[in-house]
Amino acid sequence: NAGVTQTPKFQVLKTGQSMTLQCAQDMNHEYMSWYRQDPGMGLRLIHYSVGAGITDQGEVPNGYNVSRSTTEDFPLRLLSAAPSQTSVYFCASSESSGAIYNEQFFGPGTRLTVL
Amino acid sequence: SQQGEEDPQALSIQEGENATMNCSYKTSINNLQWYRQNSGRGLVHLILIRSNEREKHSGRLRVTLDTSKKSSSLLITASRAADTASYFCATDAGGNTPLVFGKGTRLSVIA
Repeated sequence: NAGVTQTPKFQVLKTGQSMTLQCAQDMNHEYMSWYRQDPGMGLRLIHYSVGAGITDQGEVPNGYNVSRSTTEDFPLRLLSAAPSQTSVYFCASSESSGAIYNEQFFGPGTRLTVL
Repeated sequence: SQQGEEDPQALSIQEGENATMNCSYKTSINNLQWYRQNSGRGLVHLILIRSNEREKHSGRLRVTLDTSKKSSSLLITASRAADTASYFCATDAGGNTPLVFGKGTRLSVIA
C-alpha cells in the first residue's frame, strides 16, 4: 500500500492564481481531512469528509474548497491564492471518524508559497 | 474549541533521560491521541488512549489520561537522539467530530 499520497510536494503561486492540491489514499478509508500547519500554530483543520459525497468545514475553511467524489481522492482547491495561504498542507485519512480505533494516517505534505 | 494545549512548548534533554510532555484540553473527549512529527515530514501516530482508560504503554512510551483534570501526559523513557521531533496531542469528541490537534512540544534529545 502507498498509504496517503500528496502532490505536488512544493508549489509556488502568485497572488490570485488557483490550484488544486491532490490527496489520495489506497486504504479504503472513509474519513479524510486537510490541515494546514503554520509555525507556532500547530495543525489547523481546513475541511474534512466522513465519506464519498460528504464534506464539512473545519476551523479555517475560508479560501478553500473540497469535494469527495470517490473514497480514494480528496482534492483541496485554492480558488484565488493569497499570501496568507502560504503554509504546509497535510492530508490525512482514517478508517472512520466514529470508530473506536481511529488512528490518522498522514501524507508527506505540500509546501505552498504564495507570492 | 476543544483544542489540546501541549506543555512545554520546547524541551531539551540529554540522551538517556526521560522526557515528559503534557496536554490539556477544554471539553469532554472520546479519545486522546499522541503523534510525532519529524522535521519536514508528516505526522505519525504513536498511541491512542480512550476516555475510560487511565494509562497505556507502548514500548518506551507511557501515556496517562486524567479526565477529571482534562489532561494527559506522554512520557518517553531512556530517550534517544532519534526521538528528537515535535509531539502533538489530538482529541476528538466521538461520532463524526473531527480530530483537533494542539500546537505541539518540540523535543530535542542531545547525544
